Amino acid sequence: DGGITQSPKYLFRKEGQNVTLSCEQNLNHDAMYWYRQDPGQGLRLIYYSQIVNDFQKGDIAEGYSVSREKKESFPLTVTSAQKNPTAFYLCASTRTGGSGTEAFFGQGTRLTVV
Amino acid sequence: KQEVTQIPAALSVPEGENLVLNCSFTDSAIYNLQWFRQDPGKGLTSLLLIQSSQREQTSGRLNASLDKSSGRSTLYIAASQPGDSATYLCAVSGDYKLSFGAGTTVTVRA
Repeated sequence: DGGITQSPKYLFRKEGQNVTLSCEQNLNHDAMYWYRQDPGQGLRLIYYSQIVNDFQKGDIAEGYSVSREKKESFPLTVTSAQKNPTAFYLCASTRTGGSGTEAFFGQGTRLTVV
Repeated sequence: KQEVTQIPAALSVPEGENLVLNCSFTDSAIYNLQWFRQDPGKGLTSLLLIQSSQREQTSGRLNASLDKSSGRSTLYIAASQPGDSATYLCAVSGDYKLSFGAGTTVTVRA
């Protein structure tokens, strides 16, 4: 089955620690996205990538970093500079970037600071 | 900046009643509008995609309309069932991203 796989499902971070969230897709989509979801708020865009080896900051990129070395993979690192990282993180993909094709989402990773 | 609003934030109805969920957006320059369903602790499942040139889209008991000029979309769910209980999110597609509303949480009482 084609889809987006996020791992792990739950992640715990200690103060000052960097953690990496995995996102893999087998839909052969060009564009991939990372969103953050907080209770009572809409999803907010962290980073997006329209093509391999290229990515752009979204609305709330501070304290996060990404890479796009392979078409199917778009990992997100939450760095120690992110002061309030506890949230639900969602990865998405679209067939192409910038043209409004249908978006598909993974099952999310819940990150908690301990 | 695109602003997306969903009203009401929560809705509770008895089983069998039709559901009407509203979504409004401020910038009519969109590629499409997408409705999603989200169950607690889960990712988003795409329900319907309406291209900007379309007025409505239907899938089973679901029907979504789009009035781009007035910045509104409505999702209708006919004959609601307890399994329809979830949060419903609308999102509009701009140049490179989706802009989301905060969602409407629906409870269908058996």
